[in-house]
Amino acid sequence: QSALTQPRSVSGSPGQSITISCTGTSNDVGGYDYVSWYQQYPGKAPKLMICDVSKRPSGVPGRFSGSKSGNTASLTISGLQAEDEADYYCCSYAGSYSSGLFGTGTKVTVL
Amino acid sequence: QVTLKESGPALVKPTQTLTLTCTFSGFSATNSQMRMNWIRQPPGEALEWLARIDWDDDKFYSTSLKTRLTISKDTSKNQVVLTMTNMEPVDTATYYCARSGGYGRFDNWGQGILVTVSS
Repeated sequence: QSALTQPRSVSGSPGQSITISCTGTSNDVGGYDYVSWYQQYPGKAPKLMICDVSKRPSGVPGRFSGSKSGNTASLTISGLQAEDEADYYCCSYAGSYSSGLFGTGTKVTVL
Repeated sequence: QVTLKESGPALVKPTQTLTLTCTFSGFSATNSQMRMNWIRQPPGEALEWLARIDWDDDKFYSTSLKTRLTISKDTSKNQVVLTMTNMEPVDTATYYCARSGGYGRFDNWGQGILVTVSS
């Protein structure tokens, strides 16, 4: 299985909105409504930001939202803030033999 | 409050077997919602799922690494153990344990442990 494809980097100014894409296949992203997104600061463990495509766990700011269309999932950060500068990874369920297939990761830079 | 913590060697030699332990609290190992995973991340690279064990002892492994991995749990100690045989320098990574709260998601993570493979 190949990793899900994400853009290497995305940038935006404070207050702007950015969207990170996560492209897979019908065997993973397109086949299940089980896509999650993680935020990771350097030297730290990932943190769950979105699960089940669009659900926000308790404590995650409302400016983070998720969606999916076909084989591509997306994470949108609205009203970008300096603290949002981090690496972001998507993950998709890919069948009963695996817990999840991760994306290649996207570095978000706040200009 | 769920907490996870990895422990094990920071340095292993090529061809050796790595044994990592994840000690957790805040939930029961016998809870039907318990699904514990190991995930790794080479320096500067992406996350890679390795293995999972469920409350009923069902086990799942990465297709590419399944011949080298064994996952187990000690319910009495609230621990999950991962062994990886025949370690190589390319296995140098931070290894995380993580709890799944549902399909395709990892709700809680340990702090990670950096394992370097070098002679």
